[in-house]
Amino acid sequence: DAKTTQPTSMDCAEGRAANLPCNHSTISGNEYVYWYRQIHSQGPQYIIHGLKNNETNEMASLIITEDRKSSTLILPHATLRDTAVYYCIVRAQLFKYIFGTGTRLKVLA
Amino acid sequence: NAGVTQTPKFQVLKTGQSMTLQCAQDMNHEYMSWYRQDPGMGLRLIHYSVGAGITDQGEVPNGYNVSRSTTEDFPLRLLSAAPSQTSVYFCASSWTGGTATNEKLFFGSGTQLSVL
Repeated sequence: DAKTTQPTSMDCAEGRAANLPCNHSTISGNEYVYWYRQIHSQGPQYIIHGLKNNETNEMASLIITEDRKSSTLILPHATLRDTAVYYCIVRAQLFKYIFGTGTRLKVLA
Repeated sequence: NAGVTQTPKFQVLKTGQSMTLQCAQDMNHEYMSWYRQDPGMGLRLIHYSVGAGITDQGEVPNGYNVSRSTTEDFPLRLLSAAPSQTSVYFCASSWTGGTATNEKLFFGSGTQLSVL
């Protein structure tokens, strides 16, 4: 299974864009990149996912490099409520997710 | 819709006791799974099921049993609780919606278990 590497923690000013990087250099051609976040001790929440193309939804944008070895999650206008642990996951097969330790994002007022 | 419902929210056990963590979903999802999360750690997959009557092991299955008799329910059983099983347990469900590209996990709110 492809493993991911994320920074342990990041800070972002409220109202600014938060850019969370993820390396997945061993990703295979049919493996999707997923992002989830966990606020406090709640259950993780789905954010976005993609295979090759960049993706955008109401929560965030996902930028995947052309070689697919890394990706960036972008929260365009971070708010205090976006403070959470963000997990980048490469889904090796249907329904099988391996979570790492994620990036702890703190949005500062 | 209630989504994924886990009970109880909190539980304290003594070493050697048994118990069942309940998980139910009302979204007709084919896939259900159990994760555990230890302090400061990510989630680790315990067991999962791709449909009624079908279960399989995840990363850390030892000490846990599961069964899937209905689409809606996926209970997790601890037969003889140990302090090492103190953790927060999350249940999740998913479906493909007809295509693998749409698949994503929906999580319950968790059960905090302490084994003394």
